[in-house]
Amino acid sequence: QLVLTQSPSASASLGASVKLTCTLSSGHSSYAIAWHQQQPEKGPRYLMKLNSDGSHNKGDGIPDRFSGSSSGPERYLTISSLQSEDEADYYCQTWGSDIRVFGGGTKLTVL
Amino acid sequence: QVHLVESGGGVVQPGGSLRLSCAASGFTFSNYVMHWVRQAPGKGLEWVAIVSYDGYKKYYTDSVKGRFTVSRDNAKNTLSLQMTSLRVEDTAVYYCARDISSDYWGQGTLVTVSS
Repeated sequence: QLVLTQSPSASASLGASVKLTCTLSSGHSSYAIAWHQQQPEKGPRYLMKLNSDGSHNKGDGIPDRFSGSSSGPERYLTISSLQSEDEADYYCQTWGSDIRVFGGGTKLTVL
Repeated sequence: QVHLVESGGGVVQPGGSLRLSCAASGFTFSNYVMHWVRQAPGKGLEWVAIVSYDGYKKYYTDSVKGRFTVSRDNAKNTLSLQMTSLRVEDTAVYYCARDISSDYWGQGTLVTVSS
């Protein structure tokens, strides 16, 4: 079964960097994912598509501070030079031919 | 630029029906798979349904199978979600999203199922 696992919460200080993790279920380590950001009281916003080799394609207007990387079944989102507006929920998403799957989301707090 | 605008949300009693629409613009609608995603109050994102480019292939999450029907009109650049036999647990903001990686999202429409 295709499942994505995310830690419920993370925190980091203003100006620092943070690395969020999304883990693909066993047998699905080659899958690409997408990362989405949801700021408080707003709809989701696409950040990037991240492939198993770590290559990624960011959405329109996404700052260079956001980057992605991969290792085995792990997919990472790194945000550098944290700003207050980065405080949000971050979701990973993957797909099959007949299904979409979301992780449970990570709530990022900027201290 | 790409725009997705949902409409049709509202308050409905359990067992009732509602039809959501998503108007697309700024891209060749018929070239993209489209899907619906919902978010219950205070909860995470949940995929609901997908429709293929031509509208012939449709897939649903288990909890809505037999109750929801996704469709599209490529001539009108519109995606729809017909919801019947609505339950309290269907209460959520419903979003339409483009393509396999959801590279564009609408702003959402709120569906409240309550007596």
